[in-house]
Amino acid sequence: EAEVAQSPRYKITEKSQAVAFWCDPISGHATLYWYRQILGQGPELLVQFQDESVVDDSQLPKDRFSAERLKGVDSTLKIQPAELGDSAMYLCASSFGIQGLMDEQFFGPGTRLTVL
Amino acid sequence: GQSLEQPSEVTAVEGAIVQINCTYQTSGFYGLSWYQQHDGGAPTFLSYNALDGLEETGRFSSFLSRSDSYGYLLLQELQMKDSASYFCAVNRDDKIIFGKGTRLHILP
Repeated sequence: EAEVAQSPRYKITEKSQAVAFWCDPISGHATLYWYRQILGQGPELLVQFQDESVVDDSQLPKDRFSAERLKGVDSTLKIQPAELGDSAMYLCASSFGIQGLMDEQFFGPGTRLTVL
Repeated sequence: GQSLEQPSEVTAVEGAIVQINCTYQTSGFYGLSWYQQHDGGAPTFLSYNALDGLEETGRFSSFLSRSDSYGYLLLQELQMKDSASYFCAVNRDDKIIFGKGTRLHILP
């Protein structure tokens, strides 16, 4: 069964360092999402791609966060510099993109980031 | 303000039925989805309602009333494996917004 792949699964870094997360969506899925989930909260959308284009990055802290999906397939989310408040689970999801934002989203296992 | 409201915790007995409610702000609403997330796991899709009424998928059903800005997830014949967090999510003003989640505790 096709799955969304993410790496690394865990990342520990010191504040002010740079970190990067990678996501490979399910083949054929045009829409890719990056979420941040703090323990006990729901996922918060950071950025949404349709193919290689950013559709929504209104919640992305652009002074330190960046995301790209250069060939419209896999994607990278970067944080530089990391801050203590960035400690969270970073989830990637993908969908076919036929029904727009209410398509079934398939989530990857996430990257748990701890900033010391 | 908060776009979605759902109870933080619900407790039910194995074999019973439980309903998890979700209320939302109306403007720009297009549909309501439900996701399940086990501890340490990723969210998995359960259902989607764009129109009023009840959608049934096995033991799980989801209901939407757009006039009341309200929906719920109904879980029947509860099993211990249903212990998880359940999130409602809306498409509002072209943004997808998740609720804070409802933690479902199941007692044997």
